[in-house]
Amino acid sequence: DTGVSQNPRHKITKRGQNVTFRCDPISEHNRLYWYRQTLGQGPEFLTYFQNEAQLEKSRLLSDRFSAERPKGSFSTLEIQRTEQGDSAMYLCASSLGQGDTQYFGPGTRLTVL
Amino acid sequence: GENVEQHPSTLSVQEGDSAVIKCTYSDSASNYFPWYKQELGKGPQLIIDIRSNVGEKKDQRIAVTLNKTAKHFSLHITETQPEDSAVYFCAAEGAGGTSYGKLTFGQGTILTVHP
Repeated sequence: DTGVSQNPRHKITKRGQNVTFRCDPISEHNRLYWYRQTLGQGPEFLTYFQNEAQLEKSRLLSDRFSAERPKGSFSTLEIQRTEQGDSAMYLCASSLGQGDTQYFGPGTRLTVL
Repeated sequence: GENVEQHPSTLSVQEGDSAVIKCTYSDSASNYFPWYKQELGKGPQLIIDIRSNVGEKKDQRIAVTLNKTAKHFSLHITETQPEDSAVYFCAAEGAGGTSYGKLTFGQGTILTVHP
């Protein structure tokens, strides 16, 4: 399967713990996006990368959130000191370049107890 | 920033009927409008998209229309089948600067096709 992959698919954690998610984009896709989706809502943009450069961060991305794409391939999204309000589906998407179709991964569902 | 409104929030049709979902957007500079289908527990899957240089695009039973003047676009599904049942999202792509490529999604439409 050459689509976008995300790991883990599910994560349950206790409030205050740190969690890290991984996204592997489609090979040769230069752009990588992170979105968050809560129940009954559409995905909301969090941040995106052009190769290894993080070009924009949403105001939704508090100081507890950090994302990296160190070699311009896979990306990680870390949430520190998780809160119950962080419970959501975290989606990753990739595209060949600026303005190209975004293809989404299956998401990581985070539950914070 | 961009704001996308989607209606209706739920849509129930009989198999074989047509389904129409409508979206409006606020940023007149937006020029790319994809539609995604999302099934339970899965990520959104692109089903059709349209760019602002055309007014309509069709792919078998699915079509999308765009009215840039009125800033609205619609998804049309004909001859619906039970497997079309899912949540559908419209989106608009930001334009200008680093917002280029950032998608703003509508709230989603739960489509149910009854056999």
